Amino acid sequence: SQQGEEDPQALSIQEGENATMNCSYKTSINNLQWYRQNSGRGLVHLILIRSNEREKHSGRLRVTLDTSKKSSSLLITASRAADTASYFCATVMEYGNKLVFGAGTILRVKS
Amino acid sequence: DTGVSQNPRHKITKRGQNVTFRCDPISEHNRLYWYRQTLGQGPEFLTYFQNEAQLEKSRLLSDRFSAERPKGSFSTLEIQRTEQGDSAMYLCASSHKGLGSPVHEQFFGPGTRLTVL
Repeated sequence: SQQGEEDPQALSIQEGENATMNCSYKTSINNLQWYRQNSGRGLVHLILIRSNEREKHSGRLRVTLDTSKKSSSLLITASRAADTASYFCATVMEYGNKLVFGAGTILRVKS
Repeated sequence: DTGVSQNPRHKITKRGQNVTFRCDPISEHNRLYWYRQTLGQGPEFLTYFQNEAQLEKSRLLSDRFSAERPKGSFSTLEIQRTEQGDSAMYLCASSHKGLGSPVHEQFFGPGTRLTVL
């Protein structure tokens, strides 16, 4: 069963705009990760945030984590057409040994 | 290319046939994972290996599914007596996990898309 739920399910924006995706989960975690998947391809790791961290940046990506609300958000700033993809959050539970993925957000960036 | 590779990339088979997929992980990685992904969903964990030992299997992995990782290198996933519900993308991932450290970044292969007619 999947642990997380992403919101929205789909998002369509213009190039240059910011995109925000949210993820909620159910159990205590060790860390939360975001992955990108281009159509029909494998997943690419974007960023990892540990349970004792609140915010993390990587290039145009900003991730926040609120463990009290069991939620995370991924912000992509100044989006590009190449950012068009599905984005998944994945959690690792305390003492867990695997990733538990949500259903993903489909992002479309129009040029 | 030193990434994770999977073969074949696509497999079409008839119901009742057996299929086998192969995954070659990044060479220095001690962990290898198999996931299954259906359309519109995120990947679901199937099983993982630490070196050659299979340490966890999901309830999704029925007795028709078997996975091996001989010598702790490549891995195979076999599905016997395939059913239409087995149609999915099968993803392999690898990572290096130190003793006592949490699971972190995993490196995924391109997947094998299985279609059961």
